[in-house]
Amino acid sequence: DIQMTQSPSSLSASVGDRVTITCRASQSISSYLNWYQQKPGKAPNLLIYAASSLQSGVPSRFSGSGSGTDFTLTISSLQPEDFATYYCQQSYSTPITFGQGTRLEIK
Amino acid sequence: QVQLQESGPGLVKPSQTLSLTCSVSGGSISSNTYYWNWIRQPAGKGLEWIGRIYTGGSTHHNPSLKSRVTISLDASKSQFSLKLSSVTAADTAVYFCVRSSGWSDAFDIWGQGTMVTVSS
Repeated sequence: DIQMTQSPSSLSASVGDRVTITCRASQSISSYLNWYQQKPGKAPNLLIYAASSLQSGVPSRFSGSGSGTDFTLTISSLQPEDFATYYCQQSYSTPITFGQGTRLEIK
Repeated sequence: QVQLQESGPGLVKPSQTLSLTCSVSGGSISSNTYYWNWIRQPAGKGLEWIGRIYTGGSTHHNPSLKSRVTISLDASKSQFSLKLSSVTAADTAVYFCVRSSGWSDAFDIWGQGTMVTVSS
C-alpha cells in the first residue's frame, strides 16, 4: 500500500494568512493526487484534482502543486470558512489511500 | 445535478453483515466514465477507502478488509450496494457512497454519509 503522510497534523492560523499543507507519498505517484476539505458533520469536498487542477466552484485562493512524492496545498489568504480538516488522497494504485488529515484551526 | 444517498440499518450486531445501498439520482449510473465507491470514517478519525465498482461490473476492494467486502451495482434501479460481513465494533463508522471520475480518480460527488454502529 502507498502511505500518505501529511504535515503538519494541525495548524493554527489567522484570517488573511497564507497557509501551506504538505503531503508526501511513500513512493512516486506521478500526479495522481487529490485534495479535500471536510467540515464537522459533513462529507469531504473535492478541492484539487490531479495535483494542481482546481475543481469547479472552488475559490481560486486554493492551489495545489507537486508531482512524484511531494505535494502541497496552499491557501493564499485564509477566510473564516476555510477552517476545517484537509486530506490528501492518492489514486495511483489500489488500495486508494488518504493522508491522516490536517486540522486547520483559528489562531 | 448528480446526487447520492445512502440507506440501510444504523445498528448491526457483531458477527452479522452490514448492508448499505446508495441511490444515484440526476445522472446515469451506467456511464463508463465513473467508478462508484464506498468510503468510511470512524468518529474523530480519517478516511478509509473500502472499495469500488465500475459500470461493467469489475470491482476493487481494500485488502485490509480481507474478503469481507462485496460491492454490487443494479443499473435498473440506479443503485449500488455494499455488504460487509462478520462485522465487529471496529467497523463502526460513517459510511459514504462516492463517485470518482477522471484519470486522477478524484472523489467528486459524495453522499451525506450514514452512521453505522456495530453493537449487541
